[in-house]
Amino acid sequence: QSVLTQPPSVSAAPGQKVTISCSGSSSNIGNNYVSWYQHLPGTAPKLLIYENSLRPSGIPDRFAGSKSGTSATLGITGLQSGDEADYYCGAWDSSLSAGVFGGGTKLTVV
Amino acid sequence: EVQLVESGGGLVQPGGSLKLSCADSGLSFSTSWMSWVRQAPGRGLEWVATINQDGSEIFYVESVKGRFTISRDNPKNSLYLQMSSLRAEDTAVYYCARDRRLSTIFGVIMYFDYWGQGSLVTVSS
Repeated sequence: QSVLTQPPSVSAAPGQKVTISCSGSSSNIGNNYVSWYQHLPGTAPKLLIYENSLRPSGIPDRFAGSKSGTSATLGITGLQSGDEADYYCGAWDSSLSAGVFGGGTKLTVV
Repeated sequence: EVQLVESGGGLVQPGGSLKLSCADSGLSFSTSWMSWVRQAPGRGLEWVATINQDGSEIFYVESVKGRFTISRDNPKNSLYLQMSSLRAEDTAVYYCARDRRLSTIFGVIMYFDYWGQGSLVTVSS
């Protein structure tokens, strides 16, 4: 299983808000920075959040990241059908000297 | 703008070798950390390897140590992944990505802001 733990799936109605959690440890999230990615099948992953809470240019403020202790959260407001995708958190793990990702969360907008 | 294009994927028998390439058409290749990330069928993203700007710092996921070698050629704006002793579990789409890695007093920043389209590697007899 993955070093970072995410729920396998989340769902919400269009226009609503959803949060995706990412749980780790002191060797990764607790002492390093978290990033988040959106991945649609057959395409390259897209960076949504870096350095825990910063958005690259072009990413709408409907996407927000936060971190507390050894956990991080991605929040998405005003859900749209186009937000249906897999979402991954990532961080450096200082004990493993390796990058680590969460197992991914499939978002369904129903 | 950075554009990454992978090549070299294909079908290989277990125990065989394959070399992936990633060409960067942008202007920042020689000043950037670069990484390989893979996704096996039905699985999530897995970080594979990272190399710094001049190749003096390299990290690998445990499962590929001793079998995979990441390298780069800055004058050619190219990143490589030499894979040997391939196993069925190495079957995946392999992405190259620009790694915005920075070590700070507050921790390591690592994120991937540009990705290639992916190259499929299938290990099967």
